[in-house]
Amino acid sequence: GAGVSQSPSNKVTEKGKDVELRCDPISGHTALYWYRQSLGQGLEFLIYFQGNSAPDKSGLPSDRFSAERTGGSVSTLTIQRTQQEDSAVYLCASSLQGAASYNEQFFGPGTRLTVL
Amino acid sequence: SQKIEQNSEALNIQEGKTATLTCNYTNYSPAYLQWYRQDPGRGPVFLLLIRENEKEKRKERLKVTFDTTLKQSLFHITASQPADSATYLCALPNSGGYQKVTFGTGTKLQVIP
Repeated sequence: GAGVSQSPSNKVTEKGKDVELRCDPISGHTALYWYRQSLGQGLEFLIYFQGNSAPDKSGLPSDRFSAERTGGSVSTLTIQRTQQEDSAVYLCASSLQGAASYNEQFFGPGTRLTVL
Repeated sequence: SQKIEQNSEALNIQEGKTATLTCNYTNYSPAYLQWYRQDPGRGPVFLLLIRENEKEKRKERLKVTFDTTLKQSLFHITASQPADSATYLCALPNSGGYQKVTFGTGTKLQVIP
């Protein structure tokens, strides 16, 4: 079946512009995660959605970052007034349930964001 | 807060040998630990999960151990092949609820033909 998809695969933007990154999780997966990975670095947790519960936004680095998940499926990560330090690969993952159920996470291919 | 440590230096190993990667953690006792593989330009791919009451888990040429006393997991690839070259990440659930996991920074493995 289809895996996690993300779009766009690459995004180049100018400093100060807003960007939207999209994630389509695997159908039926209730948990959705966003991570950021800078060159040569580990995965930095950004936000976690689980079913209809309030999202865990504890990893968002600033109020310029926001995310929503509509209808328990597609998620959009929005970065307002982009800065050069926002340049990174943004990865989305979904799992059947949350981490408490030991479920593995399925990752998308990521969106490479470059802020000029 | 919890801390996860993986050897940041790349591991170079001869084809056919056993590769051993280490994941150390501090400050809490996770219910399980996961290992993922990440190839350049791609998202991580799940490999194995081991629970706290399991000492060892195997899958084909992969073996994972979990020592809750030492707070350490070892990830072994036997009869390594150049196709095993990748970065390997360990991941542990966060303390206090386990609703998300924290990933280590990963160890890059290079298998030399």
